[in-house]
Amino acid sequence: SQQGEEDPQALSIQEGENATMNCSYKTSINNLQWYRQNSGRGLVHLILIRSNEREKHSGRLRVTLDTSKKSSSLLITASRAADTASYFCATAPLRGAQKLVFGQGTRLTINP
Amino acid sequence: GAGVSQSPSNKVTEKGKDVELRCDPISGHTALYWYRQSLGQGLEFLIYFQGNSAPDKSGLPSDRFSAERTGGSVSTLTIQRTQQEDSAVYLCASSPGPGGRAEAFFGQGTRLTVV
Repeated sequence: SQQGEEDPQALSIQEGENATMNCSYKTSINNLQWYRQNSGRGLVHLILIRSNEREKHSGRLRVTLDTSKKSSSLLITASRAADTASYFCATAPLRGAQKLVFGQGTRLTINP
Repeated sequence: GAGVSQSPSNKVTEKGKDVELRCDPISGHTALYWYRQSLGQGLEFLIYFQGNSAPDKSGLPSDRFSAERTGGSVSTLTIQRTQQEDSAVYLCASSPGPGGRAEAFFGQGTRLTVV
């Protein structure tokens, strides 16, 4: 099964509102990453948060990590139509198979 | 200096034919990943190369799938005797660090359609 599971699967909000997406995972991690995908093609890296970090900011993005609950959240503030995309979390395991494992993604739609 | 390049961008093939998908990673990146994505779904891990180490092939769905990485650079994913369920977007990514320790840079993918 996938290491990362995003919630919700789909989210539709009005432009200007904040969007929050969640990711849960199962095993201990080295880091957790968030990616954006437009139009079903290449993914773009947004932010990487390491297991010893609790919060990270990048522009309108805020990511939190709670290793005790094995969960992360991505907050996009003051959303814009251009934020419409699919968002994926990916985890890098602390031990074992050394590969990035992606979740199923959250489809975000920003309505003008 | 460009990003990850994948070719072809689109491929239509007849069931039973073999196909080769190519990935040119960013120069100097030691890690290379192949993923598969069906319409509206998440990314399914296929294979991971790291430097000169043996690749992690644990995600390859059947023995019809194989991949190689020559000279630690270009990678080719080969699908033999294609089936309709192989239709998907195949994504390649490279990374400067091993095992997901750094961000991955993705190509635009190859959309494979088996008819």
